[in-house]
Amino acid sequence: DIQMTQSPSSLSASVKDRVTITCRASQSISSYLNWYQQKPGKAPKLLIYAASSLQSGVPSRFGGSGSGTDFTLTISSLQPEDFATYYCQQSYSTPYTFGQGTKLEIK
Amino acid sequence: EVQLVESGGGLVQPGGSLRLSCAASGFTFSGFWMSWVRQAPGRGLEWVANIKDDGSEKYYVDSVKGRFTISRDNAKNSLYLQMNSLRAEDTAVYYCARRRGGGSWDYWGQGTLVTVSS
Repeated sequence: DIQMTQSPSSLSASVKDRVTITCRASQSISSYLNWYQQKPGKAPKLLIYAASSLQSGVPSRFGGSGSGTDFTLTISSLQPEDFATYYCQQSYSTPYTFGQGTKLEIK
Repeated sequence: EVQLVESGGGLVQPGGSLRLSCAASGFTFSGFWMSWVRQAPGRGLEWVANIKDDGSEKYYVDSVKGRFTISRDNAKNSLYLQMNSLRAEDTAVYYCARRRGGGSWDYWGQGTLVTVSS
């Protein structure tokens, strides 16, 4: 199975900050990497697919990059509604696996 | 508008069975692979199973193989998850999700809670 490791596990930041979350795969997954946002009690929401493609309706302050084993999610200017938990997910091969999550909290 | 609505969750004893359903609307259901993804209380996300658009291919995480069965009825726009021999570690919110090409999930249901406990 492909292991996905996110860092950091938690992060405190302020509104308007630039934030970067990283995700590392245990083997190359090309660009088969997706990012989700989840708020408490809600279903996950797709933000970025194929490593760098912005899902329709997602604000342009969200961006993704990387290929192979190392990936990043960047939020260019944090908004109050962005405080949530973020997950990366590989779709290169089954079993599809997620990172452990990064909880983004207000400083 | 795409909608996915799960039902069928509840409290079940260890070793018991439960069948989850997911009613889909707002898109051509028969044109998409579908999935079940679960989340144990306070934990991260775990992919459970995929089914091809025509139902001809199915894939499972190892921990549920032989116990869970994913199926679909394209005439009824419905996805199912039959769960047998349930264990405490199967306790989770179960989401159905539409799998887009490339393997990401672009639409999710609201989830249904399954609790396995005596």
